[in-house]
Amino acid sequence: RKEVEQDPGPFNVPEGATVAFNCTYSNSASQSFFWYRQDCRKEPKLLMSVYSSGNEDGRFTAQLNRASQYISLLIRDSKLSDSATYLCVVNEDSEYALNFGKGTSLLVTP
Amino acid sequence: NAGVTQTPKFQVLKTGQSMTLQCAQDMNHNSMYWYRQDPGMGLRLIYYSASEGTTDKGEVPNGYNVSRLNKREFSLRLESAAPSQTSVYFCASSPRNNEQFFGPGTRLTVL
Repeated sequence: RKEVEQDPGPFNVPEGATVAFNCTYSNSASQSFFWYRQDCRKEPKLLMSVYSSGNEDGRFTAQLNRASQYISLLIRDSKLSDSATYLCVVNEDSEYALNFGKGTSLLVTP
Repeated sequence: NAGVTQTPKFQVLKTGQSMTLQCAQDMNHNSMYWYRQDPGMGLRLIYYSASEGTTDKGEVPNGYNVSRLNKREFSLRLESAAPSQTSVYFCASSPRNNEQFFGPGTRLTVL
């Protein structure tokens, strides 16, 4: 199975801080990339897709570097409600299923 | 729309017992999936169904069977539960091999 690797953390940051997560993937043929968010004891939910040109959604910015096979997520002005586990997810074109990283834990403190 | 629903939410089984986890989606999605999530292991695919009438093994299919009853429903069966199957089980659906929508999960304990 192709790998999706993430730093598990935890990342402990104060409110208002900027935090960045990276993720690497091993399959150069991967086609689609996502960041999911998972709250404690809840189901994963799509945070944002990651496009080749990079994309932004409010305080969240996602970047893709195909040459180096890594994906990043930047969170600006962290809120307490951002505390969660962030899952890097890769879709390999020949497969129907998504390949999930093990997640990076973020704790935003007052 | 309810999205993806799963029943039951919690279940405790004894070793050797059988049970079926139910999943239904009302989004008219073609593809459905079953995952298990264990601490430190992340989400692992058990089985998936790319379309009604088809099922395929994922990464960890041993000890499980599935049925794609119709477009809406995809069930997961444990024929003879083992303690190693203690986990949180998530069902998901997607319109194609892309973004997936997850159900709330079933927390299963096998004693």
